[in-house]
Amino acid sequence: GQNIDQPTEMTATEGAIVQINCTYQTSGFNGLFWYQQHAGEAPTFLSYNVLDGLEEKGRFSSFLSRSKGYSYLLLKELQMKDSASYLCAVKGGYQKVTFGIGTKLQVIP
Amino acid sequence: GAGVSQSPRYKVAKRGQDVALRCDPISGHVSLFWYQQALGQGPEFLTYFQNEAQLDKSGLPSDRFFAERPEGSVSTLKIQRTQQEDSAVYLCASSLDRGRETQYFGPGTRLLVL
Repeated sequence: GQNIDQPTEMTATEGAIVQINCTYQTSGFNGLFWYQQHAGEAPTFLSYNVLDGLEEKGRFSSFLSRSKGYSYLLLKELQMKDSASYLCAVKGGYQKVTFGIGTKLQVIP
Repeated sequence: GAGVSQSPRYKVAKRGQDVALRCDPISGHVSLFWYQQALGQGPEFLTYFQNEAQLDKSGLPSDRFFAERPEGSVSTLKIQRTQQEDSAVYLCASSLDRGRETQYFGPGTRLLVL
């Protein structure tokens, strides 16, 4: 089976850096996704990691350690519009993607 | 091009009523997924199609749920004899093909069963 853990809520200050952690235990692994979801909207793709290491994309970076079953999403220079839920999702065997509960990030002035 | 579209966006059903939810994937996308998202939770996998073939339906919660994609494009998720616990947002996503590709989500159908 699949088990994905991430904090349910986080608060950070505008302009700061925040790291959202995700740990997973899966019966197969074919990559890890991070999605952003604003309230009442569909998830939108942020990043994909399949190999160990850091992937940087503008203000957002994502890190993966397969041996530790661990990933994090790093958001720099936080903006108010970054207030949203951040979903960690693992692609296991075949095409099935399992999502975590999501981390609700609140950015405050 | 256009993204994934879903209809209706909102549906109110009386308990016991049958509902049908439609998903139009991005043109040319081979893979199509249905998810159920309860309030405050992450999306839960329901079923997966590759073209017209339903390759995984392990997430469908009961035999009241049925999905089809007869021509490998538009998909319909049908829920028979709806129950209050079926109230959720139903998300459809499509991806180009197998491999590392990203899933692109539609806006979802918000179902409320009274």
